[in-house]
Amino acid sequence: NAGVTQTPKFRILKIGQSMTLQCTQDMNHNYMYWYRQDPGMGLKLIYYSVGAGITDKGEVPNGYNVSRSTTEDFPLRLELAAPSQTSVYFCASSYESPNTEAFFGQGTRLTVV
Amino acid sequence: GQNIDQPTEMTATEGAIVQINCTYQTSGFNGLFWYQQHAGEAPTFLSYNVLDGLEEKGRFSSFLSRSKGYSYLLLKELQMKDSASYLCAAVYGGATNKLIFGTGTLLAVQP
Repeated sequence: NAGVTQTPKFRILKIGQSMTLQCTQDMNHNYMYWYRQDPGMGLKLIYYSVGAGITDKGEVPNGYNVSRSTTEDFPLRLELAAPSQTSVYFCASSYESPNTEAFFGQGTRLTVV
Repeated sequence: GQNIDQPTEMTATEGAIVQINCTYQTSGFNGLFWYQQHAGEAPTFLSYNVLDGLEEKGRFSSFLSRSKGYSYLLLKELQMKDSASYLCAAVYGGATNKLIFGTGTLLAVQP
């Protein structure tokens, strides 16, 4: 089983550029999440989705956008990259609710210069 | 916001027992997870508590007190491979539930 797949694994962006971080899961999970993790810190929730067509803001949504057109995919969009968005981004999913185990992708390491 | 607090770092000796504490805001609380994260890797699930009490799983145990807003992760018979960050995460309800993480505790196991 592939589980949660994130692409790309690494990316360097210039200030002001845009990009989309891809996340797909093949476990038919309803809940999906995007987190960012700064060096030596915990995970901060950016956006989450409880199912296709439904998204909601997390703790740190500014500068990001998401969509959830299918159960499998939950892309994260950065419109105008800033150095403060340099971080490791993790996508995760869980089956019925956040009260079930979350499965994480391997992360995308993003550097904005 | 939902403040989730853990010690930043801990050090323990191989073969010993270590307890990692976590406190959280009780308003809207729906359950608590512990995840393990090795350097450069994704978090992996360790335990889940929704009711008060102790859940034991091999060398790892997790405790929850809902009234006190307190949890701990107990690691027994420490091994070098247990050197990792341990993340406490709480589920908060409302219109939709969400999973919020603490800052993590970096555990160093020494010989």
